[in-house]
Amino acid sequence: DGGITQSPKYLFRKEGQNVTLSCEQNLNHDAMYWYRQDPGQGLRLIYYSQIVNDFQKGDIAEGYSVSREKKESFPLTVTSAQKNPTAFYLCASSPEDNMNTEAFFGQGTRLTVV
Amino acid sequence: GESVGLHLPTLSVQEGDNSIINCAYSNSASDYFIWYKQESGKGPQFIIDIRSNMDKRQGQRVTVLLNKTVKHLSLQIAATQPGDSAVYFCAESSTSGGSYIPTFGRGTSLIVHP
Repeated sequence: DGGITQSPKYLFRKEGQNVTLSCEQNLNHDAMYWYRQDPGQGLRLIYYSQIVNDFQKGDIAEGYSVSREKKESFPLTVTSAQKNPTAFYLCASSPEDNMNTEAFFGQGTRLTVV
Repeated sequence: GESVGLHLPTLSVQEGDNSIINCAYSNSASDYFIWYKQESGKGPQFIIDIRSNMDKRQGQRVTVLLNKTVKHLSLQIAATQPGDSAVYFCAESSTSGGSYIPTFGRGTSLIVHP
């Protein structure tokens, strides 16, 4: 089945630790995105990548880092510099062509700082 | 920057009623709009989209209306069912200029009472 997979579904982090959230897609999409969602809030863009080996900061990139070494994969690292990392993280991908820019989402990773 | 917003954070309806969820956008360059449905603890799912060269588009039990004059988007759900209970987001993007980053509104929580 084609789709976008995030892992793990739940993640706990101690203060001062870096953690990496996985996002893999087999849709052959060029663009991938990371969003953060807080309770009662919309989706805020953290980072996005439109092509392999290239990525851009979104609206709330501070305290996060990404890599895009392969088309299929766009991992997000939440660093210790992120002061309030507890949130629901969503990864998405899209074809990025002129005819269809619908974004497909993974099922999310809920990160909790303990 | 430009933003997408929603008029009502919560909408309660009775099963069988029609629901209307509204969305205002401010980026006049946006030409592609999508409605997503997000169930609790899951990633958003595509419902319906519309391009700026259209005023109305219908799907199964859902209709999206676009009023470019006042930058307003609405999602109509006919004969609302308990399974329609979720948070609904509108998203906008511009398919010109080489960047199709979708921007999301805050979301409206739809509660359907049996």
